[in-house]
Amino acid sequence: NAGVTQTPKFQVLKTGQSMTLQCAQDMNHEYMSWYRQDPGMGLRLIHYSVGAGITDQGEVPNGYNVSRSTTEDFPLRLLSAAPSQTSVYFCASGGDGLSGELFFGEGSRLTVL
Amino acid sequence: DAKTTQPPSMDCAEGRAANLPCNHSTISGNEYVYWYRQIHSQGPQYIIHGLKNNETNEMASLIITEDRKSSTLILPHATLRDTAVYYCIVRGGTSYDKVIFGPGTSLSVIP
Repeated sequence: NAGVTQTPKFQVLKTGQSMTLQCAQDMNHEYMSWYRQDPGMGLRLIHYSVGAGITDQGEVPNGYNVSRSTTEDFPLRLLSAAPSQTSVYFCASGGDGLSGELFFGEGSRLTVL
Repeated sequence: DAKTTQPPSMDCAEGRAANLPCNHSTISGNEYVYWYRQIHSQGPQYIIHGLKNNETNEMASLIITEDRKSSTLILPHATLRDTAVYYCIVRGGTSYDKVIFGPGTSLSVIP
């Protein structure tokens, strides 16, 4: 049981490049989400999904796209990277129900030059 | 915006109890209080959650006031490894919807 797996762990991009951060979970969780964390700051919600085919915006969605074609995967796409998107990105998943806790990946550190 | 407010930082002597407060005065009847912590730059880790009763597990205790407008996370015997940022969040009882984290409390355990 791997939990929540994020790839890559580190990435350097040039301004204007595109890339996809991958997130996969093997716990059959319906809920998945992406957060970004800037230095010395808390987590800010980018996008989330409550099931395959369903996504919605969080607090800071601009510049990011998501899709959810399977229960297991929730990729985050940066279509045209900007230096302001330099951050650490965390993916989380959680079970349904009243006692469902969130499980987080180890994070993906992205630098945009 | 986050539905909770926490002090930005706290210190605690090693071996003593760490009491971390959280205000959630607008909490709804079906919303749970959750606590997570983040050590260094790792992904946040679940600690405990509760609705209205006090809860205890192997990591911590959660005390929720009778009016549910505030809560306290208690680490009974803080160690240096408990130095972390602690997040208090509230979440609806029927679905996840948006799970919003505030800035949290940075706890420093001092030898």
